[in-house]
Amino acid sequence: QSALTQPASVSGSPGQSITISCTGTSSDVGGYNFVSWYQQHPGKAPKLMIYDVSNRPSGVSNRFSGSKSGNTASLTISGLQAEDEADYYCSSFTSSSTYVIFGGGTKLTVL
Amino acid sequence: EVQLVQSGAEVKKPGESLKISCKGSGYSFTTYWIAWVRQMPGKGLEWMGIIYPGDSDSRYNPSFQGQVSISADKSINTAYLQWSSLKASDTAVYYCSRLRSIPTRPDYDYWGQGTLVTVSS
Repeated sequence: QSALTQPASVSGSPGQSITISCTGTSSDVGGYNFVSWYQQHPGKAPKLMIYDVSNRPSGVSNRFSGSKSGNTASLTISGLQAEDEADYYCSSFTSSSTYVIFGGGTKLTVL
Repeated sequence: EVQLVQSGAEVKKPGESLKISCKGSGYSFTTYWIAWVRQMPGKGLEWMGIIYPGDSDSRYNPSFQGQVSISADKSINTAYLQWSSLKASDTAVYYCSRLRSIPTRPDYDYWGQGTLVTVSS
């Protein structure tokens, strides 16, 4: 099963908002509200930022928000800060036998 | 405090066997699924499989089925990822992570620090 499709890179200036897309199919993103987003800084473990499309775990800034339309999920980061510079991965349940599929990752650069 | 602590980096030769570990603490280890995730050098995350330490029920990504074995010893709150014959292409960082809910929901709330496995002749 192919990975979910994310842009390779996005960038924004401090204070701006950016959106990262994550496109799948009706067998994964489009078929279930089980989409999560992870932040990964270089050399560190991933961190859960959003689960079930739009829910934030305790302790995650409300500058991070998630949404979904059809087969595409999105992560929006508002009020960009330098520490937001990282790789971001989406993931979804899939009705194929793999259970969970990840996106290819998006590198966010804060200019 | 919930923690997942993984075993240290390994350097192995092709054909050798290996078992890496992930020890959980600060929560009821037997009541949360543990997943293993691979990250090859400079690449993205790949879901390998999960195990429920309470009864050792496990599920695998077909891409990894037969290539690795996932197990757990609930008496010592530890999950394992094992290879019987390593290949150079197994070189990667391997993460364990705790699933906060059920296998159909990809919400992994705690992660180990990662174990770097290097396979080289």
